[in-house]
Amino acid sequence: GAVVSQHPSWVICKSGTSVKIECRSLDFQATTMFWYRQFPKQSLMLMATSNEGSKATYEQGVEKDKFLINHASLTLSTLTVTSAHPEDSSFYICSAPFKNDEQFFGPGTRLTVL
Amino acid sequence: AQSVTQLGSHVSVSEGALVLLRCNYSSSVPPYLFWYVQYPNQGLQLLLKYTTGATLVKGINGFEAEFKKSETSFHLTKPSAHMSDAAEYFCAVSVRFSGGYNKLIFGAGTRLAVHP
Repeated sequence: GAVVSQHPSWVICKSGTSVKIECRSLDFQATTMFWYRQFPKQSLMLMATSNEGSKATYEQGVEKDKFLINHASLTLSTLTVTSAHPEDSSFYICSAPFKNDEQFFGPGTRLTVL
Repeated sequence: AQSVTQLGSHVSVSEGALVLLRCNYSSSVPPYLFWYVQYPNQGLQLLLKYTTGATLVKGINGFEAEFKKSETSFHLTKPSAHMSDAAEYFCAVSVRFSGGYNKLIFGAGTRLAVHP
């Protein structure tokens, strides 16, 4: 099956700093990737759709300047949380579609902002 | 617009008992439906999916789900629960968008507890 990795698996940072999270498709190419956010004991909320070679598409209510997405290659998308604050603390998960009708998820990145 | 409702945020069963996790969907077009499982601090793993064809879908770990269009339901079942089934379960419906791929809309999730 298709494998998606994320790095780092967890990160702790100070308020005001920026944090970059990587999402990689290891054994397939992904022109599209999705970024989700999950608060404790809650469901996944789609934040944005990452498109290789073009701008990301953000869901309503998600700040584009806050959550910068770059899809640099067919196997890598990055999410940068800029000027992070404690309310940005969350579990961030990416996914990549494989064969159109199935998405494979990364293991997630837990961000804690102090 | 597509949406998913999972009835019961927590379900508790005894080991060996039937597992039933409920999912109802709303979709203006024929839906693609999915069940995912999430273990603590991990990503999501696909249990099973319905796209077209047979309405009874079998997945991994002994789980199955039946697509019932008349009831707009896609309930997940397993005849006999195992301790290792304790996890969070998410039902999802796909939304096809202009990019050609499907976005997933998730239900709120159901936490399954299995006790001895």
